Amino acid sequence: GAGVSQTPSNKVTEKGKYVELRCDPISGHTALYWYRQSLGQGPEFLIYFQGTGAADDSGLPNDRFFAVRPEGSVSTLKIQRTERGDSAVYLCASTKQVGEEAFFGQGTRLTVV
Amino acid sequence: AQSVTQLGSHVSVSEGALVLLRCNYSSSVPPYLFWYVQYPNQGLQLLLKYTSAATLVKGINGFEAEFKKSETSFHLTKPSAHMSDAAEYFCAVSDPGNQFYFGTGTSLTVIP
Repeated sequence: GAGVSQTPSNKVTEKGKYVELRCDPISGHTALYWYRQSLGQGPEFLIYFQGTGAADDSGLPNDRFFAVRPEGSVSTLKIQRTERGDSAVYLCASTKQVGEEAFFGQGTRLTVV
Repeated sequence: AQSVTQLGSHVSVSEGALVLLRCNYSSSVPPYLFWYVQYPNQGLQLLLKYTSAATLVKGINGFEAEFKKSETSFHLTKPSAHMSDAAEYFCAVSDPGNQFYFGTGTSLTVIP
């Protein structure tokens, strides 16, 4: 596609529910990143993929968070048993090669009530 | 490990004045350095990047940044601020083969 696409753009969920956030990277980009951005903060690294495998998942805050990229393109970030503290904007980015310029999507604003 | 420090979470300048946003990095290897801009309710947009070529890098919208290895700095400048420059600015570092680390951001306000 022309750019990184994230869906939904907004998600409101109740505490304890399960959510999935989707990222469709730029076609041909091998590396895909997930970041979380809280109000007034910089993007906080969660996980990145090189191809289908998670090359670094050290930023995932706990085992309620999981991400997949089964075919090396679209990625899904999954959050189980959501908590109010999970409320943030979740950003996805892709690069042609790891370490090169990252192109960001518009983000998914997750609100846990 | 890589890290980025942005001095000054809020910077205010008058329209037409010099913009200077500070960024210092820590990296054990020659880094790639980036400045991104984020307008309200929008995603991050690349302003410019340094990838070991010329130390003075020119970006979009009249911004530029100079890589100074001796000072481990990559400060962002613009000679004359415009009202449309009001936004959040993020400095980021990566090393080849690794992922990005962002600073906490600097909010730029332009006073008419």
